[in-house]
Amino acid sequence: GDSVTQMEGPVTLSEEAFLTINCTYTATGYPSLFWYVQYPGEGLQLLLKATKADDKGSNKGFEATYRKETTSFHLEKGSVQVSDSAVYFCALSAPEGGGNKLTFGTGTQLKVEL
Amino acid sequence: EAEVAQSPRYKITEKSQAVAFWCDPISGHATLYWYRQILGQGPELLVQFQDESVVDDSQLPKDRFSAERLKGVDSTLKIQPAELGDSAMYLCASSYSVLNNSPLHFGNGTRLTVT
Repeated sequence: GDSVTQMEGPVTLSEEAFLTINCTYTATGYPSLFWYVQYPGEGLQLLLKATKADDKGSNKGFEATYRKETTSFHLEKGSVQVSDSAVYFCALSAPEGGGNKLTFGTGTQLKVEL
Repeated sequence: EAEVAQSPRYKITEKSQAVAFWCDPISGHATLYWYRQILGQGPELLVQFQDESVVDDSQLPKDRFSAERLKGVDSTLKIQPAELGDSAMYLCASSYSVLNNSPLHFGNGTRLTVT
């Protein structure tokens, strides 16, 4: 079945450091890929998405590129802020499964310190 | 910006009791999802509705869980009887359509603690 694997956290960085959170996936066909962010006590918010190979999703300084050859969708940000502290989830939606269902990774907690 | 509303935010119940959660999706969103998020894990789909019909409930423990969306708008998820292992965050989401890539919008969830 479909699955998403993320690097384990927590990831602790100093403000203005470079961020990478690794994500790889297993799916049949050509899934769409997503990054969601969850701030403490809140639901998930869509951060960015990519729907086909070599697409780059970007939002709020975060970027991720859909790499079909390595089945990866790593999240990057050039300079993190304290306000970026949250849990980040990589997810996929496989068209063959139908119904727009999301399969999530286990999440990576990011802590940004001054 | 329109939001998905969920209530209650927190619920504490004893095992073997019944518990219910409510969700009001964004107006005009035909597709509604209930996810369960166990602490430290990613959300897992329990049930998906298209209007008032169930599209997928393959991961719903039907011996104790039930979900309905009678008029195709708001939805209720019920657990009876609750078990200790049901302690989790229950997230509701909605999307405009069931077509792939229609973005899911999540509510803030209901955190259930079963004692």
